[in-house]
Amino acid sequence: QQQVKQSPQSLIVQKGGISIINCAYENTAFDYFPWYQQFPGKGPALLIAIRPDVSEKKEGRFTISFNKSAKQFSLHIMDSQPGDSATYFCAASKGFQKLVFGTGTRLLVSP
Amino acid sequence: ETGVTQTPRHLVMGMTNKKSLKCEQHLGHNAMYWYKQSAKKPLELMFVYNFKEQTENNSVPSRFSPECPNSSHLFLHLHTLQPEDSALYLCASSQDLGQGGAYEQYFGPGTRLTVT
Repeated sequence: QQQVKQSPQSLIVQKGGISIINCAYENTAFDYFPWYQQFPGKGPALLIAIRPDVSEKKEGRFTISFNKSAKQFSLHIMDSQPGDSATYFCAASKGFQKLVFGTGTRLLVSP
Repeated sequence: ETGVTQTPRHLVMGMTNKKSLKCEQHLGHNAMYWYKQSAKKPLELMFVYNFKEQTENNSVPSRFSPECPNSSHLFLHLHTLQPEDSALYLCASSQDLGQGGAYEQYFGPGTRLTVT
């Protein structure tokens, strides 16, 4: 019940395309759903996060879609750029501290 | 120094060695965390400290011993490790608001540990 399942493991998208990464969770007590971005040699950095009282949150080219009934949430990266090439992690928690992470998606945006 | 720093960045140790990882946060936060990141596995939360008190131990083996002498510093003491403990160890910090609330976690760059 503590798992967060993330897919795909890896993704190749052309420059200007849309990157979509999906996550699913089981624990209905989770109330915080962040996405982290990690570049090689760096620690993860918070990209965008959502609470379950909204179905969508947009920040620039990054959008989280949240489906509470399906217990799923996804990250959409519009107009993907080579600089977006990184590993993306979804996470979930009750409160903010005990984050449960997905296994990560390695995104490559080809020029 | 800014953000969250970790030293050393790389560490190779034998199974009988004792070593320590150091984390320092320059953000004025009051909560600190240790995570383990292994290849093809999710980041695993190991320990949480709030106001220097350990509030979470996620069933971590006793060969990992955390220490938080003040709200800016966090150590992970290692002894008698196993090869499967080889991983990237990440430190993070956040501002704890109490009652389970906190602002986002800021991560350091990690220490790449190899146990031979």
